[in-house]
Amino acid sequence: DSGVTQTPKHLITATGQRVTLRCSPRSGDLSVYWYQQSLDQGLQFLIQYYNGEERAKGNILERFSAQQFPDLHSELNLSSLELGDSALYFCASSVDTGVGYGYTFGSGTRLTVV
Amino acid sequence: AQSVAQPEDQVNVAEGNPLTVKCTYSVSGNPYLFWYVQYPNRGLQFLLKYITGDNLVKGSYGFEAEFNKSQTSFHLKKPSALVSDSALYFCAVRDQGQAGTALIFGKGTTLSVSS
Repeated sequence: DSGVTQTPKHLITATGQRVTLRCSPRSGDLSVYWYQQSLDQGLQFLIQYYNGEERAKGNILERFSAQQFPDLHSELNLSSLELGDSALYFCASSVDTGVGYGYTFGSGTRLTVV
Repeated sequence: AQSVAQPEDQVNVAEGNPLTVKCTYSVSGNPYLFWYVQYPNRGLQFLLKYITGDNLVKGSYGFEAEFNKSQTSFHLKKPSALVSDSALYFCAVRDQGQAGTALIFGKGTTLSVSS
C-alpha cells in the first residue's frame, strides 16, 4: 500500500455520461497530480494541485475538470465521455511541488467507456 | 518545453545478463530525472532519481542509472537481470528551473527477462 488511495478501482460507463474519480493523497502530502495512461499515448500529465490551488495544467481536455478540497483529497470529473477516454487514471502525491521529492502513485482507476 | 524519449518499446534479456533501458531527455535548464517501474495492475513505483552530484545513481532492487549531460541521457542499468524484473519502466524529467511544473514521463519500455 503506497498510502495514496484511489476510488473506484474500476468503472464502466456509457458514452455521454459523467464520472468522478477520487484520490486521497499520502498523509502529509500537499500536492496532488492526475495522469492518464493509455496504450497509445503513454502516461500523460493532466493537472496538478497544491494545498487546494491549481498549480499546473497539462493535456487536460475541457470536458475534464478537477479540484482539491480542504482535507486535501482530490476529485477528477470527466464529462461527456467518449470511447477514447477509456484509460487508466492515476493520482500521485508529493510533499511539495519541489521535485527533490518523488511522487507516490495510487493504484489507479480503470475507466471503460462503452 | 521539456520532453522524454524512451526509444525502445521493448527490451528482451536473458536472466543473469546485464540490462539497459534507454532514456533521453530535453529541458532548457538542468534536469531532475527519475525512473519508475510499473507491475501489471499496479501503480508506478519509484526506483531512483538524479537531482545533482554524482552522475551514477543507485536505486532500489539493484538498479542504477547514469546521468550523462553531454548526451542528455539517463539510462537505467542492472548488472544481472532477474525474471522478476519484468515490468514496464518509465523515465521522467522536470526542469529544475521551472518550479511548480509536474514530471513529464516517457511512453515506457517493457522489460522482458527470460529464464
